[in-house]
Amino acid sequence: DSGVTQTPKHLITATGQRVTLRCSPRSGDLSVYWYQQSLDQGLQFLIQYYNGEERAKGNILERFSAQQFPDLHSELNLSSLELGDSALYFCASSVAPLQETQYFGPGTRLLVL
Amino acid sequence: QQQVKQSPQSLIVQKGGISIINCAYENTAFDYFPWYQQFPGKGPALLIAIRPDVSEKKEGRFTISFNKSAKQFSLHIMDSQPGDSATYFCAASTTNAGNMLTFGGGTRLMVKP
Repeated sequence: DSGVTQTPKHLITATGQRVTLRCSPRSGDLSVYWYQQSLDQGLQFLIQYYNGEERAKGNILERFSAQQFPDLHSELNLSSLELGDSALYFCASSVAPLQETQYFGPGTRLLVL
Repeated sequence: QQQVKQSPQSLIVQKGGISIINCAYENTAFDYFPWYQQFPGKGPALLIAIRPDVSEKKEGRFTISFNKSAKQFSLHIMDSQPGDSATYFCAASTTNAGNMLTFGGGTRLMVKP
């Protein structure tokens, strides 16, 4: 167990809908990363937050957004969902942005029908 | 310049054998190279990592070999066990640029008893 928690574990929704994925980092970790894992794109970095502020953006669609709250948990919001958004979404955390080791949560499996 | 290429895509090894997975990168700014292990239904877990100032790092049965001039690194699993059957991902990041991970495509390892 990495200490990173993600909810929900599974999510089934329809095209055009909006969902929110939640992540709680390990105790003491200030930095949160979101990654998407799909069969065709593999594991891809989406976005990073550090202590409430956006730090870096990767291949994140404009329909997706995230935030990190004062208690350091983070939410990834996915809107206007398309079939191709079906994937595993992982959250990872580290002590600080320059701290190398990232600990991954168990992921949220999103299925868009 | 962000790509990390991993091979093979799948690997079958007999119990007790050596599993070798290779990765190559383009971006010379990468300065941290971790390997992650992922079991079905779980998030990636850090296995071992190396920085480019060393050519080899060993932890138990797992060894990373690093060739900076060739921009290649590899994972060797000695005395492979059925419990090692999982998907392995190499990754790379740049510490002072947010440390977001760029992953290889993954290698599905099966160790036959």
